[in-house]
Amino acid sequence: EPEVTQTPSHQVTQMGQEVILRCVPISNHLYFYWYRQILGQKVEFLVSFYNNEISEKSEIFDDQFSVERPDGSNFTLKIRSTKLEDSAMYFCASQLGRYPNTGELFFGEGSRLTVL
Amino acid sequence: AQKVTQAQTEISVVEKEDVTLDCVYETRDTTYYLFWYKQPPSGELVFLIRRNSFDEQNEISGRYSWNFQKSTSSFNFTITASQVVDSAVYFCALSESHTGNQFYFGTGTSLTVIP
Repeated sequence: EPEVTQTPSHQVTQMGQEVILRCVPISNHLYFYWYRQILGQKVEFLVSFYNNEISEKSEIFDDQFSVERPDGSNFTLKIRSTKLEDSAMYFCASQLGRYPNTGELFFGEGSRLTVL
Repeated sequence: AQKVTQAQTEISVVEKEDVTLDCVYETRDTTYYLFWYKQPPSGELVFLIRRNSFDEQNEISGRYSWNFQKSTSSFNFTITASQVVDSAVYFCALSESHTGNQFYFGTGTSLTVIP
């Protein structure tokens, strides 16, 4: 069964360092997302990506964050200068269709980021 | 304001009991989608069901059933004859037509099934 894969599964970094989280979405999907979940809290939307550009982003997704799909396969989330509050589980998701045929999000297993 | 409210933070049941997880949503759209996801202790998010706003028919899948009622803006999830493997955090989510494909998740209900 096709799945979304994410690397690394866990990354520990020092505050102020740059971090890149990688995702390989399901191959025939067109819409890609990053969500995050601070420990014990709800899953929060960060950004959606379609046709090689950001289609929506939340207030959380400030100038410290960026996304790209450099090679048509990987979908990356970069945090330029990590802060303590960036510590969270980051989920990549992909989706086949968009409104009005909104399909379910398929999530990866998450990348746990710990900022010290 | 919360678009998705899961008032039950934690629920514990004894194995084989039935349990209902509540979800109340808020939207002004006439077209929207509702979802349930399961997050087991391993951390991944597993899709369980999708419902669109025009389909109020209740659905049953094995021990799982869902009750969608637009009149009360609720999309409740019932597990019949619960098992230890059902222990997880369950999230309800909403996707609205006017906000595109952004999913709004509830805060989750942590279900513990005691053997």
